[in-house]
Amino acid sequence: GQNIDQPTEMTATEGAIVQINCTYQTSGFNGLFWYQQHAGEAPTFLSYNVLDGLEEKGRFSSFLSRSKGYSYLLLKELQMKDSASYLCAGMDSNYQLIWGAGTKLIIKP
Amino acid sequence: DGGITQSPKYLFRKEGQNVTLSCEQNLNHDAMYWYRQDPGQGLRLIYYSQIVNDFQKGDIAEGYSVSREKKESFPLTVTSAQKNPTAFYLCASEPTGDSYEQYFGPGTRLTVT
Repeated sequence: GQNIDQPTEMTATEGAIVQINCTYQTSGFNGLFWYQQHAGEAPTFLSYNVLDGLEEKGRFSSFLSRSKGYSYLLLKELQMKDSASYLCAGMDSNYQLIWGAGTKLIIKP
Repeated sequence: DGGITQSPKYLFRKEGQNVTLSCEQNLNHDAMYWYRQDPGQGLRLIYYSQIVNDFQKGDIAEGYSVSREKKESFPLTVTSAQKNPTAFYLCASEPTGDSYEQYFGPGTRLTVT
């Protein structure tokens, strides 16, 4: 079966660094997405990885290891506005997204 | 301003009634999607359409229907056959090409009592 696993909730301190992990099992693989979703709002795109390695985009970076079926999202210099849910999604061989349940990130002052 | 609109933001219905959720986009995207989001679960695909006048069932299509008569519009009808219709419904669109990034509307929270 297809499955995306990520932690339910994480807590971090303002100004610190946090890493949100995601493991995936998909039928075929065409990339791994991260989206940010504030409570009651639409998800917004953060990153797309299809090749192994780290991609940096400002304070956010995303890493992919296809051999391990593993990705992480790294958030640096945390700000209060980063409090949100972070959704991991794998794209299968039919180019359909398989979504994880999301990781709720709580930022404390 | 280009984007996706969903209306209304909140919708209340009595059990046994059909209800239609609106989704409009002016991004000129070919593909459109409907997802359902429940607490503690990932987004689940209801229906998708890659071109006008064509649509495909997703993983949880039972109790739902859609139409795609115009490129800009992809309304979702939640019928009385849907056993647990109360949920947050998200519409998304995707441009043609290699991007695969989906753009989401603000969502409609449907409550059926």
